[in-house]
Amino acid sequence: DVKVTQSSRYLVKRTGEKVFLECVQDMDHENMFWYRQDPGLGLRLIYFSYDVKMKEKGDIPEGYSVSREKKERFSLILESASTNQTSMYLCASTGGGQETQYFGPGTRLLVL
Amino acid sequence: SQQGEEDPQALSIQEGENATMNCSYKTSINNLQWYRQNSGRGLVHLILIRSNEREKHSGRLRVTLDTSKKSSSLLITASRAADTASYFCATDASQAGTALIFGKGTTLSVSS
Repeated sequence: DVKVTQSSRYLVKRTGEKVFLECVQDMDHENMFWYRQDPGLGLRLIYFSYDVKMKEKGDIPEGYSVSREKKERFSLILESASTNQTSMYLCASTGGGQETQYFGPGTRLLVL
Repeated sequence: SQQGEEDPQALSIQEGENATMNCSYKTSINNLQWYRQNSGRGLVHLILIRSNEREKHSGRLRVTLDTSKKSSSLLITASRAADTASYFCATDASQAGTALIFGKGTTLSVSS
């Protein structure tokens, strides 16, 4: 079974802090994704990556950056956290010609 | 660029009843997928239907796709309390490659 893990289930940070959200998958997937999920808005794509050191902007990249130094790991970085970045963050991966995405359990981030 | 829109937003039924959720989308697609999310968790893939398919079954799930109307429906037969979750449709738009575009979801509540 594909396993996608996220470094934290719950995170509380202060405004202005730099925040790192880590995602690791164990199936050698080429493609990895970061979404944020907010009530009434569904899932929105922040960034995705097709390969190591490759990244593409999604629909809402402002205020975020990403890093993919190793194939199995995709990090989402909030350079200076703001209260409007309080949200549920979901990581997903896919690869090997598959079209379905495998999701991690999510990180619920609260920015105070 | 929200592609899929689920309808209804919320649905409450009794155990044993059928639940039908609908999804409409805007542009041409390669496939349409349905995902399920239990409260506070990541998404789990349920079923994928390709643009050249009209109907697909998986256990108690039945998915239909009408590309002329740009719509899909998910039917859960003989629902159980354990089916209580949010359900999302996601489209794989040709231009987006492997990035999926998710709708806002239907929240299903099944009471015993």
